[in-house]
Amino acid sequence: DSGVTQTPKHLITATGQRVTLRCSPRSGDLSVYWYQQSLDQGLQFLIQYYNGEERAKGNILERFSAQQFPDLHSELNLSSLELGDSALYFCASSARGMNTEAFFGQGTRLTVV
Amino acid sequence: GESVGLHLPTLSVQEGDNSIINCAYSNSASDYFIWYKQESGKGPQFIIDIRSNMDKRQGQRVTVLLNKTVKHLSLQIAATQPGDSAVYFCAESRYSGGGADGLTFGKGTHLIIQP
Repeated sequence: DSGVTQTPKHLITATGQRVTLRCSPRSGDLSVYWYQQSLDQGLQFLIQYYNGEERAKGNILERFSAQQFPDLHSELNLSSLELGDSALYFCASSARGMNTEAFFGQGTRLTVV
Repeated sequence: GESVGLHLPTLSVQEGDNSIINCAYSNSASDYFIWYKQESGKGPQFIIDIRSNMDKRQGQRVTVLLNKTVKHLSLQIAATQPGDSAVYFCAESRYSGGGADGLTFGKGTHLIIQP
């Protein structure tokens, strides 16, 4: 158990809908990272937050957004969903901004139908 | 564009043998290189990392080698066990501004352990 909790584990929704994925980092970790894993694109970095502020952006679509709350949990919002958004979404956390020490959650499997 | 990639999608080894998983990278500006292991149904798990100014680092049953001349990274697993069956990813990390950017992952190698 990495100590990073993601909910829900599975999510099935229709195209055009909006969903919110939730991540609780390890106790004391200030940094949260979101990644998308798909068969064709592999593991792709989406966005990072550090102590409530956006730190870095990767290949995140404009339809996607995220935030980190004062209690350090984070949410990833995916809107206007398309079939191609079906993927595993992972959250990772680290104590500081050093992602080499990041611990990953078990992921949320999103299926868009 | 800049990328991190793996040579082989699948590697099959006998239990007890040593495994070597290779990775080629193209971004010379990376500060760290990291190996992750992902078991079925789980998130990636950190194995070992190496700073860009090092060429070798050892952990428990694992060794990472970095050859900056040919931009090559490898993970050696000694005395492979059934529990080592997983997909292995190499990744690179860069530090900019006030912290690290996200990891750039390779495609992954599926390590299969034969009894």
